[in-house]
Amino acid sequence: QKEVEQNSGPLSVPEGAIASLNCTYSDRGSQSFFWYRQYSGKSPELIMSIYSNGDKEDGRFTAQLNKASQYVSLLIRDSQPSDSATYLCAVNSGTYKYIFGTGTRLKVLA
Amino acid sequence: EPEVTQTPSHQVTQMGQEVILRCVPISNHLYFYWYRQILGQKVEFLVSFYNNEISEKSEIFDDQFSVERPDGSNFTLKIRSTKLEDSAMYFCASSFNRENEQYFGPGTRLTVT
Repeated sequence: QKEVEQNSGPLSVPEGAIASLNCTYSDRGSQSFFWYRQYSGKSPELIMSIYSNGDKEDGRFTAQLNKASQYVSLLIRDSQPSDSATYLCAVNSGTYKYIFGTGTRLKVLA
Repeated sequence: EPEVTQTPSHQVTQMGQEVILRCVPISNHLYFYWYRQILGQKVEFLVSFYNNEISEKSEIFDDQFSVERPDGSNFTLKIRSTKLEDSAMYFCASSFNRENEQYFGPGTRLTVT
């Protein structure tokens, strides 16, 4: 059974700080990795995708992938109260579906 | 910016009734998906659809479920005889190809009473 694991949180950070969200996956053959943000009662909103080892930056967001350790993370710099949401890690193992983690709830304290 | 749309936003139905959830994927996307999320739980894959046929389905997607692309723009999920445990948010998603990002619609909240 392919699994994606995330700490459910909540992760609380002060406004302006860096939030670090982590995700591990079980299928070593996984090829593509995605971070989504989900506000309560809303649909997942794509933040970033990452396909190869290393870092990928987009504005305040940096995704990091380490396939050897089966680990993907998301850093949010200069966290804002509007970043408070649940962050979902999704993994595609080369099939026609994503496997989602349970999500990490982030609270940014003003 | 193109987006996935879904109707209705909320559907209430009685157990045993049939429901059809509708989606309009992003126009140049070729792969279509349905996911569901039971309240407080993770997003779960139901089915993917490509080239007018199901490409993959989960164990959840049993004989009570079906999907269809009735025309060039709509993509539907039918539940033939709803059960209480079908109550969930149902999300449609689409992507240009299998490896690319999937974009999600706003969801349909299905409540089975």
